[in-house]
Amino acid sequence: QVQLQESGPGLVKPSQTLSLTCTVSGGSISSGSYYWSWIRQPAGKGLEWIGRIYTSGSTNYNPSLKSRVTISVDTSKNQFSLKLSSVTAADTAVYYCARGQVYRYYFDYWGQGTLVTVSS
Amino acid sequence: QSVLTQPPSVSGAPGQRVTISCTGSSSNIGAGYDVHWYQQLPGTAPKLLIYGNSNRPSGVPDRFSGSKSGTSASLAITGLQAEDEADYYCQSYDSSLSGSKWVFGGGTKLTVL
Repeated sequence: QVQLQESGPGLVKPSQTLSLTCTVSGGSISSGSYYWSWIRQPAGKGLEWIGRIYTSGSTNYNPSLKSRVTISVDTSKNQFSLKLSSVTAADTAVYYCARGQVYRYYFDYWGQGTLVTVSS
Repeated sequence: QSVLTQPPSVSGAPGQRVTISCTGSSSNIGAGYDVHWYQQLPGTAPKLLIYGNSNRPSGVPDRFSGSKSGTSASLAITGLQAEDEADYYCQSYDSSLSGSKWVFGGGTKLTVL
């Protein structure tokens, strides 16, 4: 059974960079059948896709966040990471990592989510 | 505002049938991209409920079904149970001149009366 677990600081100051890591267990992140995504959800609101990465390192980002987002992968640690720069209070949300099926465009496994608050 | 439009809330009594709509456009659902549905219980991560418009992952009861037509999709829940009270999200893929991205509906809160 694949499991994903987010980790990182729960509090980030405005204008700084938010950094999160997702550790994948129960399966290899190097499998070519999947891609790995970050999705966020502000309190009481809907879901927003942030971006994805293949194990090759190829990335795609939400156009609305593209200028501030970097997603990377470390296959040796079975992890992938998110960096979101120049954060504001609007970036306060629960951040989820998720596995997507190549060519199918859905997310079949999700992490439990981690709350990141942007505040001074 | 979300690219896919869902009603904010629906409700039904135990045993009844409810449907949740998801309306998109020619750049996502209408372009032929599949619609997927997720169930989010309070305080938990979303869980895949329906994929590829109408397919259920292993373990999802057949009380849940999905369909797609044109630029819209629907999730139907029959034999409503108290444990079905949750938020439901539709999701698809959107490709336009402004870029490509995965998109979600705003979510629908299901209340079991």
